[in-house]
Amino acid sequence: GNSVTQMEGPVTLSEEAFLTINCTYTATGYPSLFWYVQYPGEGLQLLLKATKADDKGSNKGFEATYRKETTSFHLEKGSVQVSDSAVYFCALYYLDKIIFGKGTRLHILP
Amino acid sequence: GAVVSQHPSRVICKSGTSVKIECRSLDFQATTMFWYRQFPKQSLMLMATSNEGSKATYEQGVEKDKFLINHASLTLSTLTVTSAHPEDSSFYICSAPRGGHNEQFFGPGTRLTVL
Repeated sequence: GNSVTQMEGPVTLSEEAFLTINCTYTATGYPSLFWYVQYPGEGLQLLLKATKADDKGSNKGFEATYRKETTSFHLEKGSVQVSDSAVYFCALYYLDKIIFGKGTRLHILP
Repeated sequence: GAVVSQHPSRVICKSGTSVKIECRSLDFQATTMFWYRQFPKQSLMLMATSNEGSKATYEQGVEKDKFLINHASLTLSTLTVTSAHPEDSSFYICSAPRGGHNEQFFGPGTRLTVL
């Protein structure tokens, strides 16, 4: 079946550090891949997405590339800010259903 | 951008009562909406797919009689937690697809606490 595995948190970094949150997936077909962010007390927001292999999604300085050969969609940001503190969910979308990873809590220290 | 709202944002109820949660798409029509449940520090679990004009489709292990779903119109789906118990306390989130089913827009969630 389809599934998403992402690195467990919490991840604690200092401001301006480089961020990587790993995400790998298993899928029977060709899903679309997403990163969602959930800020404290809020609902999910789409951060970025990629719909086919080698696509790169980007938004707010975050990037992720759809790697079919490694079945990965790692999230990266070159210089994190305190305001990036949130929970990040990797997800795949296939046949009208979204499957989420367990989420990675990110703490950025000033 | 597309907006999905939920009401109420927070509800506290006594054990044995029923609670209704509304999910609305504010600027687009949604023939399908999804209901999720999120436990503390855990991921979202898909509970059911709400279909306008027909019965909802429930995921395995979700009690249909406990979580009643009604998709009353193209902009409104409701989730009713019947005879709520403390173990039903959770964060309930809805979503609606737009733009060819390649993206979901999520509501802000409803936190249910059953005493």
